[in-house]
Amino acid sequence: KNQVEQSPQSLIILEGKNCTLQCNYTVSPFSNLRWYKQDTGRGPVSLTIMTFSENTKSNGRYTATLDADTKQSSLHITASQLSDSASYICVVSGSNDYKLSFGAGTTVTVRA
Amino acid sequence: ETGVTQTPRHLVMGMTNKKSLKCEQHLGHNAMYWYKQSAKKPLELMFVYNFKEQTENNSVPSRFSPECPNSSHLFLHLHTLQPEDSALYLCASSQDPRHSTNEKLFFGSGTQLSVL
Repeated sequence: KNQVEQSPQSLIILEGKNCTLQCNYTVSPFSNLRWYKQDTGRGPVSLTIMTFSENTKSNGRYTATLDADTKQSSLHITASQLSDSASYICVVSGSNDYKLSFGAGTTVTVRA
Repeated sequence: ETGVTQTPRHLVMGMTNKKSLKCEQHLGHNAMYWYKQSAKKPLELMFVYNFKEQTENNSVPSRFSPECPNSSHLFLHLHTLQPEDSALYLCASSQDPRHSTNEKLFFGSGTQLSVL
């Protein structure tokens, strides 16, 4: 079983609306959690990196939250734009070996 | 651009062909990686190189053969592939292979490989 689970697998939203993506992980002990954005046909690009002591981190209209106690993170997209259509990948690094565990991603489609 | 360049962007090959994927990073990083990304699945780490020495091979079949001549270049040589090897192959680099909080991982745009 994958140590990083993301939901939903995909979602469709209207331009200008908000959405929230979920990430649950079992990696322990935990070092940091990352969110990546991957446009179709491109490689993933880092959005945020958070340690266990950080509850929230923003990058423009993207806001990530982290609850290290429940091992949950979310990525909130505010006032979505067509360019937000992409796959969003949650990645967790353990503090034993600092290796990365990847989620399967959530595909977001923003429609006009 | 991320500073990691991959060529070719697309590749179609038969099962008996031999081809190579190329990756170059302009970030001065010491660690380079090959990942496989199949549809709807998490990225799979294939190989890790640190200071051009292979430090990790995640039970990858021998039909995939990596080569790292220096810290800036990474190749993936392909031969006698199977249709199930069709996927997006991503190269990445970072300063250190230990992904602590300050260590960002930079990806190339990938090579979309189709094996017929």
